[in-house]
Amino acid sequence: NAGVTQTPKFRILKIGQSMTLQCTQDMNHNYMYWYRQDPGMGLKLIYYSVGAGITDKGEVPNGYNVSRSTTEDFPLRLELAAPSQTSVYFCASSSRGPQETQYFGPGTRLLVL
Amino acid sequence: AQSVTQLDSQVPVFEEAPVELRCNYSSSVSVYLFWYVQYPNQGLQLLLKYLSGSTLVESINGFEAEFNKSQTSFHLRKPSVHISDTAEYFCAVSVPGGATNKLIFGTGTLLAVQP
Repeated sequence: NAGVTQTPKFRILKIGQSMTLQCTQDMNHNYMYWYRQDPGMGLKLIYYSVGAGITDKGEVPNGYNVSRSTTEDFPLRLELAAPSQTSVYFCASSSRGPQETQYFGPGTRLLVL
Repeated sequence: AQSVTQLDSQVPVFEEAPVELRCNYSSSVSVYLFWYVQYPNQGLQLLLKYLSGSTLVESINGFEAEFNKSQTSFHLRKPSVHISDTAEYFCAVSVPGGATNKLIFGTGTLLAVQP
């Protein structure tokens, strides 16, 4: 049981480039989330999904897109990378219900130059 | 709307000393309360949570937190810390009955345990 896996671990992008951050979970969770973590700012929710085919914006969605075609996968797409997107990105998953624990992946560190 | 405040960005402490990490929240409705821990270069993992019932909740590694409704606080304590407790600790809330499971995080407190 691998839990939540993320690839890549680290990436450097040039301004204007695009990339997809991959996230997969093997716990059959309906709910999945993408967060970004910036120093001293805690975690901010970018997008979330309550099931395959259903996604919605979080607190900081600008510059990002997501899709959820399967229960297991929840990729995050950056279309035109900007220096403001330099951050550490975490994917998480959980069962239904606000009392449920969220399980986090190891993170992807992204540097946009 | 809900918000979480962790006033201490960093707490240095010597090994075997007690520690308290403070968390206050703001909400017009009842909330669930969580503490997550992030060890260096890792993702977050749940330390403990308060849903209902006894206001004192404990983790398996000796941490405890007490829900205080009148002070809207959920401070985390440990009577004797170890070097291995060095990590960043995040307090978070969610809203019962919500359909989205959204967690609102504080800005985190770095616990730095020194020998």
